[in-house]
Amino acid sequence: KAGVTQTPRYLIKTRGQQVTLSCSPISGHRSVSWYQQTPGQGLQFLFEYFSETQRNKGNFPGRFSGRQFSNSRSEMNVSTLELGDSALYLCASSLVGAGANVLTFGAGSRLTVL
Amino acid sequence: GQQVMQIPQYQHVQEGEDFTTYCNSSTTLSNIQWYKQRPGGHPVFLIQLVKSGEVKKQKRLTFQFGEAKKNSSLHITATQTTDVGTYFCADQDSNSGYALNFGKGTSLLVTP
Repeated sequence: KAGVTQTPRYLIKTRGQQVTLSCSPISGHRSVSWYQQTPGQGLQFLFEYFSETQRNKGNFPGRFSGRQFSNSRSEMNVSTLELGDSALYLCASSLVGAGANVLTFGAGSRLTVL
Repeated sequence: GQQVMQIPQYQHVQEGEDFTTYCNSSTTLSNIQWYKQRPGGHPVFLIQLVKSGEVKKQKRLTFQFGEAKKNSSLHITATQTTDVGTYFCADQDSNSGYALNFGKGTSLLVTP
């Protein structure tokens, strides 16, 4: 079956712009988590959605937001981009949520902010 | 949520040597998962440990969960160049069961 699909794979933005990233989970997976990966900070949890509800949010400013649709697809948005937002943004899906279930990651969206 | 600490941060070995990475927590973990990320790739699930003192093997990889459930280790016997990558441990967030907190990872380099 198809894996987790993230689009776009690469994008370049300038400071102050906003960006929307998309994630399609594995069919049947209802939980979608987002992570930011940078060389210095590793994998940092952004938020998790289940049945269109955000169940948990990491320690990120309000410029980072997300949502989940009824088909479990998810989007995350970063507004007023800063240089420090340059990172690999990873989406992961699981059946009902991390902890009890393992995460299957997508290939990521690599964002460069100039 | 708690943050698991991983050591070492980097490890460079000759092919055929053994490798071990450690994951430590100051609090008791409900379970722990291990992931591997190849250079340029994304994290891929390796294993989940749940029980105190649990030991699981996958070919040359041996995973252990401490008796007190505060630490875990991944040991690779006779490393191969295909083992190159970053190994992460992750624990279930204590505030919410719906997030995994990842350690900073151990980057393994294997030279032939």
